[in-house]
Amino acid sequence: AQKVTQAQTEISVVEKEDVTLDCVYETRDTTYYLFWYKQPPSGELVFLIRRNSFDEQNEISGRYSWNFQKSTSSFNFTITASQVVDSAVYFCALTRPGFQKLVFGTGTRLLVSP
Amino acid sequence: EAGVAQSPRYKIIEKRQSVAFWCNPISGHATLYWYQQILGQGPKLLIQFQNNGVVDDSQLPKDRFSAERLKGVDSTLKIQPAKLEDSAVYLCASSLAGGSETQYFGPGTRLLVL
Repeated sequence: AQKVTQAQTEISVVEKEDVTLDCVYETRDTTYYLFWYKQPPSGELVFLIRRNSFDEQNEISGRYSWNFQKSTSSFNFTITASQVVDSAVYFCALTRPGFQKLVFGTGTRLLVSP
Repeated sequence: EAGVAQSPRYKIIEKRQSVAFWCNPISGHATLYWYQQILGQGPKLLIQFQNNGVVDDSQLPKDRFSAERLKGVDSTLKIQPAKLEDSAVYLCASSLAGGSETQYFGPGTRLLVL
């Protein structure tokens, strides 16, 4: 069975601080896909990144970066120089090829104060 | 490109009443998903359609929930009769194909059962 653990329930930071959101996953598949979504107060899940299990290169997109480490089954997300607009719940999710559902973690609520 | 559309955005009903939610996916997306998100949890897949056929409905409480996707485009999810524990956000998502393809989510319908 697949499982995603986001141990951090809530994180509070002050604007301009860097923050890392942890994601640990469990799967027996050799091929799988990992995702991060952002859910602002409006409720819509916003897609941030999709990564397959064969690509362990770290990725950077503006202030966002992702660290994928198969050795520790982790796919952590870092926001550099956080902003108030980054306040949201962030979900990590896992799936495998074929018609398989997304398995979500319980989310991490990020509060960025001015 | 228009995103996933859902209506209504909010609904309040009393227990034992019925309710229906509507979803229109992104144009050209073959796969449509309905998720239930209870407060403080990650979304849980209720049902997945590929075109107008059901791929996975293993977690759909079939004694009270039903869903259809006529003509392989928009979809409706119905609850009859509703229970207090059905209070949640119902999210619709779509993807070009199933499985590992990125799922794009609509704004959700917040249901409160009194």
